[in-house]
Amino acid sequence: ETGVTQSPTHLIKTRGQQVTLRCSSQSGHNTVSWYQQALGQGPQFIFQYYREEENGRGNFPPRFSGLQFPNYSSELNVNALELDDSALYLCASGARTEETQYFGPGTRLLVL
Amino acid sequence: SQQGEEDPQALSIQEGENATMNCSYKTSINNLQWYRQNSGRGLVHLILIRSNEREKHSGRLRVTLDTSKKSSSLLITASRAADTASYFCATDTNAGKSTFGDGTTLTVKP
Repeated sequence: ETGVTQSPTHLIKTRGQQVTLRCSSQSGHNTVSWYQQALGQGPQFIFQYYREEENGRGNFPPRFSGLQFPNYSSELNVNALELDDSALYLCASGARTEETQYFGPGTRLLVL
Repeated sequence: SQQGEEDPQALSIQEGENATMNCSYKTSINNLQWYRQNSGRGLVHLILIRSNEREKHSGRLRVTLDTSKKSSSLLITASRAADTASYFCATDTNAGKSTFGDGTTLTVKP
């Protein structure tokens, strides 16, 4: 167990809807990164938050947005859902001064 | 495009045999990490090797890194059925912003 939790575990939405995924970081970690993993592929970096501000972003459109809270929990919001957004969404927490990040179990999103 | 690419895409071996997976990447890195993923669940960190290191061991795992060839290998010795999983390499140019390959699916038959 990494101490990183995510909710919900599974989610079904329809195209055009909005979704919020949540992540609770491991104690003592001050960075949170989000990844999208499509079926049969490796995770793709969405963005990272550090001290409640976005600290780097991958090749994802603005309809993917996030928040980090003072207790280092985090949210990933996706607006105007598309079918291709169906994937496993992983969050990973870490300490700014360390190289290793710890992944949560993921939220599986299905967009119909 | 992905930074890391694993080879082979799939590997099937008998319990007790060794499994070797390779990873190639394109740009300079700070470190390279290997992860395991069981059945589409969360990623488990296995081992990290820094760009100035050539080899690292952790239990039954051995990782090598050749920065001149931009490649790494993961060796699992004396494999067990429980090692059945997908294995990913990830390169870090900035802490927490990892670039993953598409993984090697390992099946260990009892």
